[in-house]
Amino acid sequence: AQSVAQPEDQVNVAEGNPLTVKCTYSVSGNPYLFWYVQYPNRGLQFLLKYITGDNLVKGSYGFEAEFNKSQTSFHLKKPSALVSDSALYFCAVSPEGSGGYNKLIFGAGTRLAVHP
Amino acid sequence: DTGVSQDPRHKITKRGQNVTFRCDPISEHNRLYWYRQTLGQGPEFLTYFQNEAQLEKSRLLSDRFSAERPKGSFSTLEIQRTEQGDSAMYLCASSPTPGGSSRHEQYFGPGTRLTVT
Repeated sequence: AQSVAQPEDQVNVAEGNPLTVKCTYSVSGNPYLFWYVQYPNRGLQFLLKYITGDNLVKGSYGFEAEFNKSQTSFHLKKPSALVSDSALYFCAVSPEGSGGYNKLIFGAGTRLAVHP
Repeated sequence: DTGVSQDPRHKITKRGQNVTFRCDPISEHNRLYWYRQTLGQGPEFLTYFQNEAQLEKSRLLSDRFSAERPKGSFSTLEIQRTEQGDSAMYLCASSPTPGGSSRHEQYFGPGTRLTVT
């Protein structure tokens, strides 16, 4: 079965410190990979994606993610966390299927708490 | 872009009643997706449309659920004979038809929160 795992329910980090939110996936073929963020009472917002090419991709708000094919991981990173980064983060994969890349399969989410 | 809009934002209904939700995608997007999100979980795929054609349905979409996109613009999701287990956030997303490296992300609406009492 195709799945996405976010092993940490919550990540706590002090403001100014680097942060990492982990994601691994179990999907056959060459999936596309995404990170989304969800703020309270707001919809999911796209952060960044990996389609092909450089394993380190950069996205919105200073976030980046590193794709590792051998480990089937796509960890989200930021060099210096801000209190305003506190939110719920979702990793998602789009499997290669008939007709191309269609649906997204999401992880359960990781709550990031950045403390002043 | 005005973004993806969904109506209503909240719906409370009694078990056994029918409910219908509406989604208006970003205007130039010809793909439209429905997802369901329960508390503490990530969104789960329900179905998607390419223009007016419904191309894939999840096994989560029981025969009480039906989705339409009659003119390839807005979409409706109807749940008949609602059950308490249907209580969830129903999310709509849209995207351009995938092609090239810059057209694969989906843009989500704010969701419709359904509570079945």
